[in-house]
Amino acid sequence: QKEVEQNSGPLSVPEGAIASLNCTYSDRGSQSFFWYRQYSGKSPELIMFIYSNGDKEDGRFTAQLNKASQYVSLLIRDSQPSDSATYLCAVGDSNYQLIWGAGTKLIIKP
Amino acid sequence: KAGVTQTPRYLIKTRGQQVTLSCSPISGHRSVSWYQQTPGQGLQFLFEYFSETQRNKGNFPGRFSGRQFSNSRSEMNVSTLELGDSALYLCASSLERWDTGELFFGEGSRLTVL
Repeated sequence: QKEVEQNSGPLSVPEGAIASLNCTYSDRGSQSFFWYRQYSGKSPELIMFIYSNGDKEDGRFTAQLNKASQYVSLLIRDSQPSDSATYLCAVGDSNYQLIWGAGTKLIIKP
Repeated sequence: KAGVTQTPRYLIKTRGQQVTLSCSPISGHRSVSWYQQTPGQGLQFLFEYFSETQRNKGNFPGRFSGRQFSNSRSEMNVSTLELGDSALYLCASSLERWDTGELFFGEGSRLTVL
């Protein structure tokens, strides 16, 4: 059973600090990695995707991928209250299935 | 540009009944995938359609089925409803393969089974 695991949280971070969200996956052949944000009562929306080892930056968001250790993380710099949401990690596995984590609830405290 | 449209948004059914949910993807998107979301379970993949063909299927019983029409609109059907089928059903569309690009989600159909 291929799995994607995330800490369910809630993760509480002060406004202006860095929020660090982590995700581990079991299928070593996974090739694509996605972070989605889901506000309460809303649908998920894509924040970032990453395919290669290393870091990928987009504004305040940085995705980090380490295939050897089978983890992917999302850093949010200068956290804002509007970043409060559930963050979903999704992994495209070796069978072209997209496996989703259960999500981490992030709370940014003003 | 219109987003992904799902109907109905809310529905209540009783055990043993069946339900059909509809999804209209973004214009030009040919891939439609369906997900079940329940608290604590996250998103569970149901199936994905591309050009009227089911390309991928998750681990759900045969009571869950779907189809895609020539205009890329998709429907999913759940027969012989069980209490555990109560969930938010999300549809997502993408241009080509769902696993290499951005998924655009609809607002979902919230099903309650009594």
